[in-house]
Amino acid sequence: AQSVTQLDSHVSVSEGTPVLLRCNYSSSYSPSLFWYVQHPNKGLQLLLKYTSAATLVKGINGFEAEFKKSETSFHLTKPSAHMSDAAEYFCVVSATNTGFQKLVFGTGTRLLVSP
Amino acid sequence: SAVISQKPSRDICQRGTSLTIQCQVDSQVTMMFWYRQQPGQSLTLIATANQGSEATYESGFVIDKFPISRPNLTFSTLTVSNMSPEDSSIYLCSVESGYDTEAFFGQGTRLTVV
Repeated sequence: AQSVTQLDSHVSVSEGTPVLLRCNYSSSYSPSLFWYVQHPNKGLQLLLKYTSAATLVKGINGFEAEFKKSETSFHLTKPSAHMSDAAEYFCVVSATNTGFQKLVFGTGTRLLVSP
Repeated sequence: SAVISQKPSRDICQRGTSLTIQCQVDSQVTMMFWYRQQPGQSLTLIATANQGSEATYESGFVIDKFPISRPNLTFSTLTVSNMSPEDSSIYLCSVESGYDTEAFFGQGTRLTVV
């Protein structure tokens, strides 16, 4: 079975400093991994995805994530936080053996950005 | 990409009643998914709806409580039946653009049961 563990429920950074949101995964199969962002009272938006191509994945709004199989990790980073990055972030694994995209969500990390 | 419209966006309901949530997609899709996001929690898959067949429910969710219809390739409904305060959540509809690519989500329906 697939699962993801987001290691921090809250992360606080200052504007202009780096962001690191941690995610570890467990999968019986070669995983597809995603990061989604949820702004207050808005829908979920895909930030980036890993589907067995390049291990360093670049996404929207300056975010990127690196797939490390040896560490079973898929941490999300951004060099410089912006106030608009404050939101809930979900690490997601796809159950790729099902033939369709059954998504398993992590518990989420709330990113707080202070001026 | 896919644009998903959910109705209603929010509702406050009395316990013991039922609410039907509609999900309309701007393109034909094979699979539609319904998720629940309880307050302060992550998303949990309720069921997968395939046009022309009965929905497939995840562990902990049953058809009597969450009946789903999928009459065509662009539309689905989720009903939350005999509601209790524990059903207060955001319910989201989702579709996939293709196998192993991006999943798109509606804005969600924020349900409060009093």
